[in-house]
Amino acid sequence: EDQVTQSPEALRLQEGESSSLNCSYTVSGLRGLFWYRQDPGKGPEFLFTLYSAGEEKEKERLKATLTKKESFLHITAPKPEDSATYLCAVRPEISSGSARQLTFGSGTQLTVLP
Amino acid sequence: SAVISQKPSRDICQRGTSLTIQCQVDSQVTMMFWYRQQPGQSLTLIATANQGSEATYESGFVIDKFPISRPNLTFSTLTVSNMSPEDSSIYLCSVDIQGGEQYFGPGTRLTVT
Repeated sequence: EDQVTQSPEALRLQEGESSSLNCSYTVSGLRGLFWYRQDPGKGPEFLFTLYSAGEEKEKERLKATLTKKESFLHITAPKPEDSATYLCAVRPEISSGSARQLTFGSGTQLTVLP
Repeated sequence: SAVISQKPSRDICQRGTSLTIQCQVDSQVTMMFWYRQQPGQSLTLIATANQGSEATYESGFVIDKFPISRPNLTFSTLTVSNMSPEDSSIYLCSVDIQGGEQYFGPGTRLTVT
């Protein structure tokens, strides 16, 4: 069974204090790992897709990396507007249902204090 | 990317009634998905809606409870039938874009009393 585990569940940072969020996954084969940002009361906002171990992608203060078992979302010098829940999802190579379905982790709630 | 809208954005409904949620995309897409996000929880896939064929439901979700329509490549509806308080959730539609990225609508926040 495909599993995605995110840690920590919640993270409080001071503005400018860099940190990393973790996403560990177990899948039969990985067709993609996705990072989303979700603000309260809104739908998830797409951030990154990673396809193979060693791949990295950056967007402003965020950088996502991928290994064969986990992904990290590094946040450099965060600002209060980076406060949100960050969700990780995987698309397995072989899935019993939809060929493109995603399995989501439970998310990391990030709070950046001014 | 894709721009996705949902109607209604929120609703409060009585037990035993039904609500139909609409999802509109600004471009033609093959696959649309419906998710549920219960309070404080992550996203759970309800079903995949393909144009011209019946929706494919995930384990634990049935067509009688969550009938789905997909009349064309830019539109889909999800109905939550015979609602109970346990159906109180955010319902999200999403679309698959070439390249494998999946984009989400703003969600419909449903409260059942």
